[in-house]
Amino acid sequence: QITLKESGPTLVKPTQTLTLTCTFSGFSLSTSGVGVGWIRQPPGKALEWLALIYWDDDKRYSPSLKSRLTITKDTSKNQVVLTMTNMDPVDTATYYCAHDSTYNDAFDIWGQGTMVTVSS
Amino acid sequence: QSVLTQPPSASGTPGQRVTISCSGSSSNIGSNTVNWYQQLPGTAPKLLIYSNNQRPSGVPDRFSGSKSGTSASLAISGLQSEDEADYYCAAWDDSLNGPFWVFGGGTKLTVL
Repeated sequence: QITLKESGPTLVKPTQTLTLTCTFSGFSLSTSGVGVGWIRQPPGKALEWLALIYWDDDKRYSPSLKSRLTITKDTSKNQVVLTMTNMDPVDTATYYCAHDSTYNDAFDIWGQGTMVTVSS
Repeated sequence: QSVLTQPPSASGTPGQRVTISCSGSSSNIGSNTVNWYQQLPGTAPKLLIYSNNQRPSGVPDRFSGSKSGTSASLAISGLQSEDEADYYCAAWDDSLNGPFWVFGGGTKLTVL
C-alpha cells in the first residue's frame, strides 16, 4: 500500500524559505519509472503543479516558479524535499505530494496535504 | 488563469449523465494524454481517469473520459449524490519551457 505524508511549518514569514518534506512508504524512489511530485492549492482555488522528481534524479519544475524551487530526494529515507524561497502571502496554500508512475503518467496516490500560511 | 479551461460549474440530478469539458492547445492536450482528478470536499484529489480514458482500479465505470484534438471531456453517468465534488483535468505541456504539468481551473459539480 502506497502512502505519502507531507510535513513542514504551518506558518512562515514573507521572504523566508519554505522547506517541505514528503515521507512515503510502499514504493522506492530508486525503482525505474517512479516519481514524486508536489502540487499546491490556495484556499478556494485550483490545483497548481510545482515540481516533480524521478527515480533517475531527473527533475521538472513549473516554469513560473522554477527560480524559487528546488526538489531533492533521499532514497534511503524514502523522502522528497521541496524548498521554495522568498515566500509571499500569495503562496498560502495546501501543499500536496503525490506518487507518479511512468506507467500511467499521472499522480495516482496523493498525500493528505499540509496547509502553509505566509504571514508576518 | 489556468492553462486548461474548464467550466467553473456543472450540475445534474441523480441518475442523469453530465459531462465536463477541458480545453487546451496543441502543446498540451493536442500532443499529450489527459488525466482527471476528483476532489471531494475537504479531501486530497484522487485520480479518476488517466491516459484520456483509463480508469484506475476501484473507479466505477460510471466515469469515462475522452479526448479529441485539443479538448477532453469527463462524463459521469448515473449521477449520484456522492459525485458532488470538484473535478480537474491535467496534461503535460510541451511548450518552450516544458515539459511541465498543467491543470484546469476545476469544475464544481453539484448534484441537485
